[in-house]
Amino acid sequence: NAGVTQTPKFRVLKTGQSMTLLCAQDMNHEYMYWYRQDPGMGLRLIHYSVGEGTTAKGEVPDGYNVSRLKKQNFLLGLESAAPSQTSVYFCASSESPLTWGEQFFGPGTRLTVL
Amino acid sequence: AQKVTQAQTEISVVEKEDVTLDCVYETRDTTYYLFWYKQPPSGELVFLIRRNSFDEQNEISGRYSWNFQKSTSSFNFTITASQVVDSAVYFCALSEANAGGTSYGKLTFGQGTILTVHP
Repeated sequence: NAGVTQTPKFRVLKTGQSMTLLCAQDMNHEYMYWYRQDPGMGLRLIHYSVGEGTTAKGEVPDGYNVSRLKKQNFLLGLESAAPSQTSVYFCASSESPLTWGEQFFGPGTRLTVL
Repeated sequence: AQKVTQAQTEISVVEKEDVTLDCVYETRDTTYYLFWYKQPPSGELVFLIRRNSFDEQNEISGRYSWNFQKSTSSFNFTITASQVVDSAVYFCALSEANAGGTSYGKLTFGQGTILTVHP
């Protein structure tokens, strides 16, 4: 099993450009999450999904959109990138919070917005 | 709102020293889960431990041990006889479980503690 994979690993954007980050998991997990990691701030939740076709806002959702069209994929979109969105983005999945299993994290995507 | 504070931004020790990483949390729920994750220089997040709010037993796993004290809202992590490979950023995290089950496992992370173990 590959676990949680993220595409791409690195990306440089210019202000105003758009892009989509792809997260894929092969563990048949219901729940998926997008976090961003900034120095000195830990990880903060952007959006999450509790199943195929569902999405919800996390702590810092502004400037991002997400979609969960397939259970195994969770996409994070930036419609008009800003320098403040320079960060490392992590995707995670979990079987079900009801069983309080661990969240499995992807390797991260390092995004720089110039 | 829930909050996790890791007051130690950076810790530097020499190999074989014991080191304790502090974690203090705030939550209004009676049911919650606490986690520790390790982020080595390679960048991935490695799960270390999960503890629920009803289990205050301390846990030991090899050189790692965790001390959970509800009275002080703390969940501290100790590495005994530290090694260079322990150098990493360590995150404490909290997930609430309210009666409606609507927390959906969302994690609130502390700011992280950078641990450097020198040979």
